[in-house]
Amino acid sequence: AQKVTQAQTEISVVEKEDVTLDCVYETRDTTYYLFWYKQPPSGELVFLIRRNSFDEQNEISGRYSWNFQKSTSSFNFTITASQVVDSAVYFCALSEARDYSGAGSYQLTFGKGTKLSVIP
Amino acid sequence: DGGITQSPKYLFRKEGQNVTLSCEQNLNHDAMYWYRQDPGQGLRLIYYSQIVNDFQKGDIAEGYSVSREKKESFPLTVTSAQKNPTAFYLCASSIRQAASETQYFGPGTRLLVL
Repeated sequence: AQKVTQAQTEISVVEKEDVTLDCVYETRDTTYYLFWYKQPPSGELVFLIRRNSFDEQNEISGRYSWNFQKSTSSFNFTITASQVVDSAVYFCALSEARDYSGAGSYQLTFGKGTKLSVIP
Repeated sequence: DGGITQSPKYLFRKEGQNVTLSCEQNLNHDAMYWYRQDPGQGLRLIYYSQIVNDFQKGDIAEGYSVSREKKESFPLTVTSAQKNPTAFYLCASSIRQAASETQYFGPGTRLLVL
């Protein structure tokens, strides 16, 4: 069964500090997809990134960067020079690569989330 | 603007009452999903639908029901059989139901029991 662990329940940083959110996953599949979502206080989940298991290149998007390491089953998320607007709950999620066949049994498994508070 | 809408934003349920949460999308997505979120927890899948007139149970379907009569709409009914319905409910959709497809979420409905 799939499992996603976000060991950091809450993190507080001062504005402009860098912060890394950890995500460790378990799966028996060789092909899978990893996601990060942001949930601001308004509640809506905002998609940040999708990565497939065959692409281990790190990715950078502005102040956000992601470090995918298959050897340690980790997909960590770093925010550089944090801002107050980054305050939110961040979720890591894993899905198995079972293509649509009409047979069902597909599922996106979420971690419990990490609440990030950026203090001005 | 394309997106997912959920209504109402807040919903109050009395004991023994069924309530229905609305989810509409204009993204032309085939697949739609309902999740439940409890405080300090991740999202758990209630039901999902791959195409119109088809839906499947997720991990916590007991006490819930859904329908998918139109591609754009996937309402969730919380029945009186659901003994602990207080939670935040999120609807999502994706182009198709596949592991590679990104799910996009609506703004959520917060359900409270009176």
